[in-house]
Amino acid sequence: GQQLNQSPQSMFIQEGEDVSMNCTSSSIFNTWLWYKQDPGEGPVLLIALYKAGELTSNGRLTAQFGITRKDSFLNISASIPSDVGIYFCAGSYSGAGSYQLTFGKGTKLSVIP
Amino acid sequence: NAGVTQTPKFQVLKTGQSMTLQCAQDMNHNSMYWYRQDPGMGLRLIYYSASEGTTDKGEVPNGYNVSRLNKREFSLRLESAAPSQTSVYFCASSERQYYNEQFFGPGTRLTVL
Repeated sequence: GQQLNQSPQSMFIQEGEDVSMNCTSSSIFNTWLWYKQDPGEGPVLLIALYKAGELTSNGRLTAQFGITRKDSFLNISASIPSDVGIYFCAGSYSGAGSYQLTFGKGTKLSVIP
Repeated sequence: NAGVTQTPKFQVLKTGQSMTLQCAQDMNHNSMYWYRQDPGMGLRLIYYSASEGTTDKGEVPNGYNVSRLNKREFSLRLESAAPSQTSVYFCASSERQYYNEQFFGPGTRLTVL
């Protein structure tokens, strides 16, 4: 099946710093999604990307759909304590009639006040 | 709107017992999904229902059955629970399969002793 590598696995940053994380796939996707999961909760959709090269923002979050269609990046600017959680990337390729999402294993973000 | 709701929130079973996890969505979405989340494994698809009246296996379907009761409800049944099924189970729904923006419920934490 498709493989998604998400890095880094975890990060400790100082409040106010910018954060970058990325996902790479062994095959192409035509949708990339980024989710955040707080402890004891379900994942919440942050950003959806549909076109290679697309750059989309949601407040302090910016995500990009890589031009090779095999990678995606998420940046968080000026981190705050409530950014703490696990961030997941997910991709899907619907060309072959399959609409399943493949998830990365997550990046655990800790913010030091 | 409540979004995606799941019951129960917590459950403890003994090996061999059966139970049904319930999921409902009020967003008029066509597609619904069941995932399990295990430490270090990310989210893995168990079963999905592309539309009312259809169900298909995902990545890890063994030991589970599903029922798409109507457009709103999608249940997951464990006929004979095993310790390997200890996990957090998430239900999700999406409006259109192609773009696959999935919205998740709060999860059911299941322990099988």
